[in-house]
Amino acid sequence: GIQVEQSPPDLILQEGANSTLRCNFSDSVNNLQWFHQNPWGQLINLFYIPSGTKQNGRLSATTVATERYSLLYISSSQTTDSGVYFCAVATQGGSEKLVFGKGTKLTVNP
Amino acid sequence: AAGVIQSPRHLIKEKRETATLKCYPIPRHDTVYWYQQGPGQDPQFLISFYEKMQSDKGSIPDRFSAQQFSDYHSELNMSSLELGDSALYFCASSPDRGHITEAFFGQGTRLTVV
Repeated sequence: GIQVEQSPPDLILQEGANSTLRCNFSDSVNNLQWFHQNPWGQLINLFYIPSGTKQNGRLSATTVATERYSLLYISSSQTTDSGVYFCAVATQGGSEKLVFGKGTKLTVNP
Repeated sequence: AAGVIQSPRHLIKEKRETATLKCYPIPRHDTVYWYQQGPGQDPQFLISFYEKMQSDKGSIPDRFSAQQFSDYHSELNMSSLELGDSALYFCASSPDRGHITEAFFGQGTRLTVV
């Protein structure tokens, strides 16, 4: 099955810093989503981005499907950005189920 | 906007008991997925349904079963519970199997087996 690798596994920032999270995947995809899992366990949709670039406030994401990677940018980080960020993909020609990476655990300190 | 509704939010069961988790997808979403997330792990796919028929199956134990009903809600039934079944169980829904679509997750049911 498809492999999804996220880096870095852990990231500690001071409030106000910027960061880039990476997601590599091993096969062509027809769906790629970024999620934020908050400390209460809720999975929050950040981006649906199988290709291209999107921005939402301080967050933006870029997926280069031909090179099989996606990047999530967080600017001016806030303590509320803390949590685990997951990348999840669904493969072309397969079922629509999402396969998750191991996640990046982000801690933003005040 | 309506979201995926899961119930109960928390559940405590003893070993060997049975549990039933319910999921109400977003209206007009015809695909439902179930995921299991152990402590410190990423969500793992269990099973999915499209138009009330099972469409895919992952690492779901034989002790677990699921179905989707005529009103599109889904239930995950878990029998002979084991300590290792303690996890966060998510349901997700997406609107159209035939197109590239976005999945939305419920808030999860936290199951604790004691």
